[in-house]
Amino acid sequence: QVQLQQWGAGPLKPSETLSLTCAVYDGSFSGYYWSWFRQPPGKGLEWIGEINPSGGTNYNLSLKSRVTISVDTSKNHFSLKLNSVTAGDTAVYYCARGLGQAPGLWGQGTLVTVSS
Amino acid sequence: DIQMTQSPSTLSASVGDRVTITCRASQTISYWLAWYQQKPGKAPNLLIYRASILESGVPSRFSGSGSGTEFTLTISSLQPDDFATYYCQQYNSSSYTFGQGTKLEIK
Repeated sequence: QVQLQQWGAGPLKPSETLSLTCAVYDGSFSGYYWSWFRQPPGKGLEWIGEINPSGGTNYNLSLKSRVTISVDTSKNHFSLKLNSVTAGDTAVYYCARGLGQAPGLWGQGTLVTVSS
Repeated sequence: DIQMTQSPSTLSASVGDRVTITCRASQTISYWLAWYQQKPGKAPNLLIYRASILESGVPSRFSGSGSGTEFTLTISSLQPDDFATYYCQQYNSSSYTFGQGTKLEIK
């Protein structure tokens, strides 16, 4: 059964860099869109960005200056880095995979807390 | 950014009811709209993509319709497992956005 497993360091202090990694097990890595989303506690969903099957990236305009999404095909991993975090970046972060821009396979979610 | 507005924000219904959730876009998005179901503490689950295509494995009581700026998600006969929060998401523009969510509660 294909699944995504995500992990990353936390908690973070303001101005630090959030770093999360997502791995796909028992599934293909090529030919898919790979995305990151987040959800602040008790709030709605926010799309962060994606890498398309051609390797191009597309980011939420409100986060674009601080976000990098990358892929390591040799390890079947993809990663999220978000620079200069603040308390407003506290959220559950999800990785996801899809044949198109609406992903059907999601990771389990990782709560990242930013606090001084 | 394209703004997505869902209505209602909360919906109370009973098992067996037919329910409809509406999502409106601030500008035309063609049919580039998805619907997700989310339960507390869980990742979202894709129900519908391209406005009306049912994701594999999703029960046929779920259906989606619409194009342009107005879209609906319909559940034909509510089951106990359907009580959750539902989100629409547009992916027409280069910066994708979600509706604020509709919480479907048991009446």
